[in-house]
Amino acid sequence: EDQVTQSPEALRLQEGESSSLNCSYTVSGLRGLFWYRQDPGKGPEFLFTLYSAGEEKEKERLKATLTKKESFLHITAPKPEDSATYLCAVQTSYGQNFVFGPGTRLSVLP
Amino acid sequence: SAVISQKPSRDICQRGTSLTIQCQVDSQVTMMFWYRQQPGQSLTLIATANQGSEATYESGFVIDKFPISRPNLTFSTLTVSNMSPEDSSIYLCSVEGPRAGTQYFGPGTRLLVL
Repeated sequence: EDQVTQSPEALRLQEGESSSLNCSYTVSGLRGLFWYRQDPGKGPEFLFTLYSAGEEKEKERLKATLTKKESFLHITAPKPEDSATYLCAVQTSYGQNFVFGPGTRLSVLP
Repeated sequence: SAVISQKPSRDICQRGTSLTIQCQVDSQVTMMFWYRQQPGQSLTLIATANQGSEATYESGFVIDKFPISRPNLTFSTLTVSNMSPEDSSIYLCSVEGPRAGTQYFGPGTRLLVL
């Protein structure tokens, strides 16, 4: 069964304190791994797509990396506006559907 | 990116009734998706709706409970039928983005069933 897990479940950081979120996956074949940001009361907002091990993507203070079994979302010098739930999802190579992880709730304190 | 709106944004319903959720996209899209996000949990795909064909439902979801319409390339509805408190959730629609595998989500419909 395809599975996506994320850790930690919740993370509190001080402004400027860099850290990483983890997404581990178990799928028969990976078509792509996706990171989303979800603010309270809103739908998920697309951040990154990663397709192969070794790939990296960056956007402002966020950097996503991918290995064969997991992905990391690195947050450098976070600001309070980075507070949100970060979701990762995988799309398998044998279907079009997406399996979402449970998310990491990030709080950045000023 | 596509702009997606959903109606209603939230509702409180009585057990045994039905609610139809509308999803409107500002551009024509082939595939639309309906998700459920239960309190404190992640997203679970309910069904995929392509214009002009029957929706494809995921395991655990059936058409009688969640009928879907897709009358054109910019609009879809999801009905939650014969509701029970277990149906209390956020319902989200999404569309496929221009890059393979990406999705853009609507703001969600928050449903509480009493």
